[in-house]
Amino acid sequence: DVKVTQSSRYLVKRTGEKVFLECVQDMDHENMFWYRQDPGLGLRLIYFSYDVKMKEKGDIPEGYSVSREKKERFSLILESASTNQTSMYLCASSPFTRSPELGEQFFGPGTRLTVL
Amino acid sequence: LAKTTQPISMDSYEGQEVNITCSHNNIATNDYITWYQQFPSQGPRFIIQGYKTKVTNEVASLFIPADRKSSTLSLPRVSLSDTAVYYCLGYTDKLIFGTGTRLQVFP
Repeated sequence: DVKVTQSSRYLVKRTGEKVFLECVQDMDHENMFWYRQDPGLGLRLIYFSYDVKMKEKGDIPEGYSVSREKKERFSLILESASTNQTSMYLCASSPFTRSPELGEQFFGPGTRLTVL
Repeated sequence: LAKTTQPISMDSYEGQEVNITCSHNNIATNDYITWYQQFPSQGPRFIIQGYKTKVTNEVASLFIPADRKSSTLSLPRVSLSDTAVYYCLGYTDKLIFGTGTRLQVFP
């Protein structure tokens, strides 16, 4: 079974802190994604990576950056956390496809981040 | 601006067929439409994907009309375990998830 793990299920940080959310997948997938999920808004794509060191902005990249130094690991970075970044963060991976919407995305369990 | 809309919630009873519709503008001719299921405290799980007419797998069917401005997820004979939130996913120049439909199945 594909397994996508996220470093924490729950995280509490203070405004202005630098926050790292880690995601690891064990199926050698090329594509990796970071989403945030908020009530009434569904899932919104923050960043997408289709290869090591490659990234593309999603719908809401402002206030976030990402790092993909190894194929299996995709990190989401909040340079200076703010209260409006309190949310559920979901990581996903999928095999290589000619377009990101193709194929099945495998999601991790999510990290609920609270910024005080 | 691409937008994907779904009903907020639906109720059903065990054994009934449930159809959940997603409206999406600006979906291109060759872009795929995908549906995911999400249970509480879990990440979404893939159900089905297609880009035209009808696709069927062991758990659901997906209907996409010729104008591709909507898609319908059909769940035959739902059970209590189908109670979940269902999301459609489309793509124009970016991935766009719908806001989700909360399906409640009653005994």
